[in-house]
Amino acid sequence: GAGVSQSPSNKVTEKGKDVELRCDPISGHTALYWYRQSLGQGLEFLIYFQGNSAPDKSGLPSDRFSAERTGGSVSTLTIQRTQQEDSAVYLCASSLEIGFGYNEQFFGPGTRLTVL
Amino acid sequence: AQSVAQPEDQVNVAEGNPLTVKCTYSVSGNPYLFWYVQYPNRGLQFLLKYITGDNLVKGSYGFEAEFNKSQTSFHLKKPSALVSDSALYFCAVSWLNRDDKIIFGKGTRLHILP
Repeated sequence: GAGVSQSPSNKVTEKGKDVELRCDPISGHTALYWYRQSLGQGLEFLIYFQGNSAPDKSGLPSDRFSAERTGGSVSTLTIQRTQQEDSAVYLCASSLEIGFGYNEQFFGPGTRLTVL
Repeated sequence: AQSVAQPEDQVNVAEGNPLTVKCTYSVSGNPYLFWYVQYPNRGLQFLLKYITGDNLVKGSYGFEAEFNKSQTSFHLKKPSALVSDSALYFCAVSWLNRDDKIIFGKGTRLHILP
C-alpha cells in the first residue's frame, strides 16, 4: 500500500520567505509527527498530532513554526520568515494506533529545505 | 526523565564480521524499544521492536536485538555484516503513554568495510 508521502522533495527559498511543507500520512493512521534532521544528524521532534486532540507543540523551535492537520489526515508545516538555520530535512511520520506507546512510526522520504 | 543513549557516533566493521550497535535507555516502568535505519538519501525505516516476551527480537535484513533489563540496554546485532548495511541507525524508546511519545537517540553511523 501507499506509504507516507511528502512534498515537495526539495525546496530552495530565500531568507525571509515563508514555506509550506506537506505530509500525507498512511490512510487510517491517527498519529502524525514532524521531525527535523540536520545534515544526517539526529532527529529533532517538532510537533505531534493525535486524532482530534490538541497537538503537542512542545518541540517547535520558535513561533515562526506552525503546523496544522486538516480532517485528521493531511498535515502542513509552515515556516515563516525563514532563516538559514532552518535549512534541514523535514521528516513526517505516522503511526496506526494511539494511546499505548508501542506502535512503530512510518516515515516519509522527507523534504530537504535550503534557505539561501 | 525518559532518555535513550547511543554511545558511539560511528562504528566500523569489516564485511563478514559480526556487528553490534549499542543502545541504553532510561524510562520509568516498562520500556518499548525500537531500532530504525536510514540508508543514504532515503527515509527512516523501522527495523524491529521489543514490547514484551522473548528478550531476543528478530527484525528485517537479518538484524536482531537483545533486551537486557538489568543493563537497561537494547543493542542491535547481526552475525555477518554486509557492505549494504552501511547506514545511520537510530535507537528509540517509548513507554505506556497515551500520546505515543517516543524518544530517539542521536544515531550511530555504521560503516561496513569491504
